[in-house]
Amino acid sequence: QKEVEQNSGPLSVPEGAIASLNCTYSDRGSQSFFWYRQYSGKSPELIMFIYSNGDKEDGRFTAQLNKASQYVSLLIRDSQPSDSATYLCAVGDNFNKFYFGSGTKLNVKP
Amino acid sequence: EPEVTQTPSHQVTQMGQEVILRCVPISNHLYFYWYRQILGQKVEFLVSFYNNEISEKSEIFDDQFSVERPDGSNFTLKIRSTKLEDSAMYFCASSEGGNGLFYGYTFGSGTRLTVV
Repeated sequence: QKEVEQNSGPLSVPEGAIASLNCTYSDRGSQSFFWYRQYSGKSPELIMFIYSNGDKEDGRFTAQLNKASQYVSLLIRDSQPSDSATYLCAVGDNFNKFYFGSGTKLNVKP
Repeated sequence: EPEVTQTPSHQVTQMGQEVILRCVPISNHLYFYWYRQILGQKVEFLVSFYNNEISEKSEIFDDQFSVERPDGSNFTLKIRSTKLEDSAMYFCASSEGGNGLFYGYTFGSGTRLTVV
């Protein structure tokens, strides 16, 4: 069974701070990595994907991947109260499906 | 922006009854998926579908489950005889190609299934 692990949180940060969300995965052969945001009772919404080692930036979001450590992270700069949600890490399988972590709940305090 | 549409948004059914959950994927997408999320738990893969056949299915997707693309727009998930443990949020997703693996895919808004 391929595992994706996340700290459930909640992670509380003040408005304007950097939020750092982390994820580890068990399958060393995994090739693609995704961050989804999920508001309570809603569907997951894609934020970013990454599949090469290093950093990938998109606006206030930066995804970081370290395949040797089997670790992927998401940084949110200038956090806003509207960023408060559960962030899901998903790892792509060779067979066209994702394994999701249980999510980290982020709370951005005004 | 194109959307994946799911109906109904909420379905309540009695144990043992059949339910059909409906999805309209994004029009130029070729790959379709069903995932589910039991309240408070992880999003879990059920099945992927391409070229009118199942590409892969999980161990959850047993003989009680089936999928169909009855016409050019709809994609359905049928549960033949619902159990209490089938209560969950069911998400449909679609991607333009198999590169949905690398570029992510778009989820629908979900159907909350409650089995009583």
